[in-house]
Formats: sequence, structure tokens, C-alpha cells
Amino acid sequence: SQTIHQWPATLVQPVGSPLSLECTVEGTSNPNLYWYRQAAGRGLQLLFYSVGIGQISSEVPQNLSASRPQDRQFILSSKKLLLSDSGFYLCAWSWGETTGTEAFFGQGTRLTVV
Amino acid sequence: AQSVTQPDIHITVSEGASLELRCNYSYGATPYLFWYVQSPGQGLQLLLKYFSGDTLVQGIKGFEAEFKRSQSSFNLRKPSVHWSDAAEYFCAVGYSGYSTLTFGKGTMLLVSP
Repeated sequence: SQTIHQWPATLVQPVGSPLSLECTVEGTSNPNLYWYRQAAGRGLQLLFYSVGIGQISSEVPQNLSASRPQDRQFILSSKKLLLSDSGFYLCAWSWGETTGTEAFFGQGTRLTVV
Repeated sequence: AQSVTQPDIHITVSEGASLELRCNYSYGATPYLFWYVQSPGQGLQLLLKYFSGDTLVQGIKGFEAEFKRSQSSFNLRKPSVHWSDAAEYFCAVGYSGYSTLTFGKGTMLLVSP
């Protein structure tokens, strides 16, 4: 079976500090990978997605970047955090062989920038 | 552009009463449709999905949803709500050839005693 791991669960960071959130998927190969952000009352915002190693699509220009150094690893980064980066970050994966199918989510990271 | 509308931001239902959460998607090619549930501080869990075939689909936790092409809708239903169903519910649509899903803004379900 497939599992997705996302860490840390909670993070408090000062403004201007760097960020690295990591997500890994087990039990499948060549998944599509996604980073979403939730702000209170604003639903899910797709930040980045990747259909393969080194292939990153950015949906929203901002202070964040993503990388996929390995097939089942997806990293969300920032060089300098802003207050507005606070939120709930979710990693997800879907089957790479098909498109339009369901996504499976990690448990999320609550990021508070102070 | 693809879009999903969940017209109800909040819904309050008495425990034991029936539930229907509304979802409409923008018209386009044959959609793949999904309902997810999110408890506070948790990730999203897939409740059910529709790809093709029978337009009434059954999911986990006693939920079902009906696809109505003529109305571009995929409403979620449950005959009798339990207090543990209180959560936020998201409808999503996907299309063949697109790697990403489009999500609605969610409906928060409150269950009163």
C-alpha cells in the first residue's frame, strides 16, 4: 500500500528565516506530487506540482520554491519567510500513469511565522 | 477555466438528521468528481469518487453522492448525520489530460445535539 509522510507537523519560524518542508511517498513509483496551502477560510491553494524528477510547475508566484530531488521526495522551501507565509501546508500525490484522478494527502504542516 | 462551486460556506445539521452538501462544477469534458473530508488540523481524506458508470456512488462513512450531468452537480448526501461527521468537506473535479484537481472552497459542517 501507499503512504505519504510529511514533516514537521508544526513549525514556528521568525520572519526572514529559511524554510524547508519535506514530503515523501512510499509504495509507488513516479507519482505526481503537489504542495497546497490553506489559509483560514480560503480553501486550498495549489502552490506547486511535479510530474517527474526535476520537473516543477508553479501555480502562484510568491516567496516559495519547490524541488523534487528524488522520485518520491518533494520539498517546499523559502529563503526568507514572510508573515504572509503562515498557513497550513499540505503535500499530496496522485498516480503518475493517469491524469485527473484522485489525490492523496499528507497530514499537513502548520507553519506560523512570527 | 475549470471551477468548482460549493455555495454553502457553513451548514448546521441536527444529529440524526439527513445531510446534503452541494457542489457544482464548470461545464467541460467528462469530469472525474471527488468529495474529501478534513478534520481540524488534519489532511484531506477521500470520501468517494466518480469516474464513470452508475451516477450514484457510495463512499466511506455512510456517504453517497449523485452525479447529475444536466445540472453539472455532484451533491454529497448522508441519511443520518453523527456528531463525528462535523468537519470541512471539499468537492473537487479532475479531467483526463490534466495533472491537477480543482477544489471548491469547502463547506464547514456543524452538527448540533
